[in-house]
Amino acid sequence: GQQLNQSPQSMFIQEGEDVSMNCTSSSIFNTWLWYKQEPGEGPVLLIALYKAGELTSNGRLTAQFGITRKDSFLNISASIPSDVGIYFCAGQAKGGNNRKLIWGLGTSLAVNP
Amino acid sequence: EAQVTQNPRYLITVTGKKLTVTCSQNMNHEYMSWYRQDPGLGLRQIYYSMNVEVTDKGDVPEGYKVSRKEKRNFPLILESPSPNQTSLYFCASSRRLAGGYPRDEQYFGPGTRLTVT
Repeated sequence: GQQLNQSPQSMFIQEGEDVSMNCTSSSIFNTWLWYKQEPGEGPVLLIALYKAGELTSNGRLTAQFGITRKDSFLNISASIPSDVGIYFCAGQAKGGNNRKLIWGLGTSLAVNP
Repeated sequence: EAQVTQNPRYLITVTGKKLTVTCSQNMNHEYMSWYRQDPGLGLRQIYYSMNVEVTDKGDVPEGYKVSRKEKRNFPLILESPSPNQTSLYFCASSRRLAGGYPRDEQYFGPGTRLTVT
């Protein structure tokens, strides 16, 4: 099935640093979502984007829906140890009854205290 | 507390022994879905349900069955499990917008780690 190109695959940073990750698609999306998954848990929704160009924040997290509708990025400012986890992007490519999400493979984030 | 629950969280079984993984949500969501998560393959949709008695195949439905007799429950059934169904399984749900389409903000359960030997 289709997947998104999510990069980087992994990051190892120092506490306090800013983090940036992105997702690209060959298809136009109507929705971009960013999730975080911690070990032993299911993905938790962080930010949802519904309009091209939309910039949305959730605390230290900021995500943008690309103007071309084919990409999105997530920034984390001033990282802290609890930011550790795998971050997934997901997009909804078309309408229809099954609003199936297309997923990236995740960015694994490690934060050194 | 709004949540999606799954049971069991961990299961080790043998090839061919039928099993059911339960999923329940308390948010009155119409849309429910099952995913499996495998290293290098990400999250792949198995089945989904738009509402009670309405189910359809996702990307990887082979070897699985589902039912939706009640709005809150969406069990995943493996009639004859095989080792290639060893995986981490997630149930998700989301609400439906007034226009009839489910909102994309799916809420996930904690996962069921299944091992088939």
